[in-house]
Formats: sequence, C-alpha cells, structure tokens
Amino acid sequence: KQEVTQIPAALSVPEGENLVLNCSFTDSAIYNLQWFRQDPGKGLTSLLLIQSSQREQTSGRLNASLDKSSGRSTLYIAASQPGDSATYLCAVSSNNAGNMLTFGGGTRLMVKP
Amino acid sequence: EPEVTQTPSHQVTQMGQEVILRCVPISNHLYFYWYRQILGQKVEFLVSFYNNEISEKSEIFDDQFSVERPDGSNFTLKIRSTKLEDSAMYFCASSEQGFNEQFFGPGTRLTVL
Repeated sequence: KQEVTQIPAALSVPEGENLVLNCSFTDSAIYNLQWFRQDPGKGLTSLLLIQSSQREQTSGRLNASLDKSSGRSTLYIAASQPGDSATYLCAVSSNNAGNMLTFGGGTRLMVKP
Repeated sequence: EPEVTQTPSHQVTQMGQEVILRCVPISNHLYFYWYRQILGQKVEFLVSFYNNEISEKSEIFDDQFSVERPDGSNFTLKIRSTKLEDSAMYFCASSEQGFNEQFFGPGTRLTVL
C-alpha cells in the first residue's frame, strides 16, 4: 500500500528566503505526482503535475523535481513571499491503484514579512 | 478559468440523517472523484467515477455511500445515514482523462451532530 510522507510538518522562514519542501513515497511504481496548495479551510489548488517519465516541472517561482527510483520529490520555492504561507500537499497516483491520489500529510509554511 | 464548484459550502445534519453533497465538475472532464479530509488528518480518496459507473473505491466507501451523475453537469455524493465520524471536509475533483491533473473544488464542510 502506498504511503506518502512530507517533511517537515511545519516550516517558518523570513520573506525572501529560498526553501525546499520534501515528499517521499514508499512504492516507486507511480504514474504521476502532483503538488497542491491548501489555504486554511479552503480547497486544494493544483500547483504542478510531474509525470513519472519527467525529472522536473517549473511554474513561476516554483520548481518540482522527481526522483522516482528513490521515491522522492521536492518542491523548491524561490524568493518566498508572505502570500506563499499555506499548507503544501504532495499526492501520488500509483500504477496499481487506478486514478486515485494518495496524499501526504502536508507541510505548513509560514513566511514572515 | 473553468473550475469545480461544490454546494453547499457547509452542511450541518443530525446523526442518522441522509445528506447529498453536490458538485459541478469542469465541463469537458470525464473523470470525477470524491475525497474527504477529517480535521487535522490527511486527504483520503473515497471514489472515482467514469462513464457513469464507479471505477475505483476505497474501503471507506461502504454501503452508506453512493455517487450519481443525475444529469450532464452534476455529480453527487450521498451518505444514507450519517455518523459522527462522517464529519469532515468533502472535496470533489475532476480530470480530463484518467491519470491527468486533478482539479479540486472548494469543499463542503459536513458537520454531524
């Protein structure tokens, strides 16, 4: 059964800092990996989708990498801003589990002005 | 930009009552999903739906739950006899094809008293 873990659970950084959020998964037979942002009490906003054949994806100040063989993904946020404060979730779609996403517990990010 | 919508945003019900949560997926999407998030816990998959039938379901999705696409736009989740432990945020999601990026709605907060 796929398990997804995110470390750290919470992170507080000063504005302007570059930061890395980590996601690991136990079964490397994934179809894709998706990063989401969740604001308190709100829905999930898709940030990036990486297919299993890709190594990274970029969108603006965000860069996500995938190392499928080691079961790891990172989300790099450049020049963090207070508006980036939110919970970041990673989720994987596994080859043997249909279309369902298995989520990690999230990293709660606070960017201080 | 097209988005997934959900109604109501908050539903309060008494234990044992039936509730129906409604979703309007993105119009050209073919795959629909329900997930839930109990307060402080991970987002969990409930069910996926394609071509007017369930394609996958989790062990959470027992006989108390059902899904339906009653018309060309709505996708519903029914809980027949709610329990206290059904209290959670319920998210609807859709994707254009299977294993594509999933787009989530804002959620319905269900409170069972």
